[in-house]
Formats: sequence, structure tokens, C-alpha cells
Amino acid sequence: DADVTQTPRNRITKTGKRIMLECSQTKGHDRMYWYRQDPGLGLRLIYYSFDVKDINKGEISDGYSVSRQAQAKFSLSLESAIPNQTALYFCATSDFRGAGETQYFGPGTRLLVL
Amino acid sequence: QQQVKQSPQSLIVQKGGISIINCAYENTAFDYFPWYQQFPGKGPALLIAIRPDVSEKKEGRFTISFNKSAKQFSLHIMDSQPGDSATYFCAAKRSNAGNMLTFGGGTRLMVKP
Repeated sequence: DADVTQTPRNRITKTGKRIMLECSQTKGHDRMYWYRQDPGLGLRLIYYSFDVKDINKGEISDGYSVSRQAQAKFSLSLESAIPNQTALYFCATSDFRGAGETQYFGPGTRLLVL
Repeated sequence: QQQVKQSPQSLIVQKGGISIINCAYENTAFDYFPWYQQFPGKGPALLIAIRPDVSEKKEGRFTISFNKSAKQFSLHIMDSQPGDSATYFCAAKRSNAGNMLTFGGGTRLMVKP
């Protein structure tokens, strides 16, 4: 979905390096999320933010940090990358309406940590 | 441990056949159950969703069946087409926990022509 963009799309880095993955959205949504996808494990929530001043840890936040620079921007950092952080990373947004909540995903960033 | 368990991990179906993917959950506080579809190189996208006050929801060839007492729900794809080949994720949400989605492990579906 072009409304949610992620950069870079692919990244190769070395163990111990700090890297940042960026997410931008034009949907005007307040809520933003970072997930990682691993085969057989589905999508697991790393961090989420309900607005610029509200950031929360998800299921697997160890080794990651985030920054919500603006309503439209949410960045994920790996302070010191390790090989088991090799995964597909997705950013998502949502705008709570009614009793359900649709999340809109970006195209993903494929990260390889050597 | 996964709170939402999905099976099978992979599925091959002939064109025109029925694809069935199953999910089971543990937390009875879950109150919204969506299915997401993901094509290669793309992010997941909402396909269909159900709430526990109904036992079935149908949208075109896609149907969710929900069994509250068994804590199970399933996706049925009727008249499966090669274009349905994708990875499917079930998920669950509980409103009293910030509306967070918990995803199943995913099912890779291949529909053969």
C-alpha cells in the first residue's frame, strides 16, 4: 500500500552495527506499529505508538528502540545488530473506528545481519 | 508461546477446490478475529474479519467459520484460484488491551492450475 512506505526495502549489515529502519504514512492515522515476520512465527509486535507522545513495548522489544518523530513517521532502530535479528520487518498504521481495527501494512524491509 | 495457533503451515489445492485454514486461540478475552492475506513482496492486507457474536461471515468466495465454545475459527476459500496463492494469517484482538493484534504463524497456500 503506497500510503505506508518503508525505507530501505533491503538492508545487509554486520553484527554490532547500528541501523535504522524508517516508516512514513500519508493515511493520517494516529497509531503506528513495528512487527517482525519470521517463518512459522507469523508477525510479532516489537513496538507500537498511539500518538507522538505514547510509545509502548510489544511482545519482543529487547534489542530494539523506536522514535516517533511526527504523526506520520515512526522509526525502528537496532542499536547493535545480531544475526538472529535477520527477518522481514513491517510497519503498520491504524485508525480506530468502531469495534474493529484494520491495520494497514507497508511493503516491508528485508534485513540480513551477517 | 503463541496465543493463536494456525494450521497447516502450507497447503496445496487444485484450482476450483476448497482451501481450509484453521486457527485456535486460548484467551477468551479476544473479541475480534481478522484474516490477513499477504502476496510475495507485499505487506499483509485485511481480507475478512469476524466478531464472536456470529458463527459465520461470508464475503464472496471467502468465509470465516467461528466456534466460540471450541475457541476455533477457520477460513474457507471456495472455488480456489491461482490468484489466491498467498500467505494467510489469522489474528485475534482483545479490546481491553489496547486493541493489539496477535497473529498466528501463517499458512502458505498454493493453488495449482
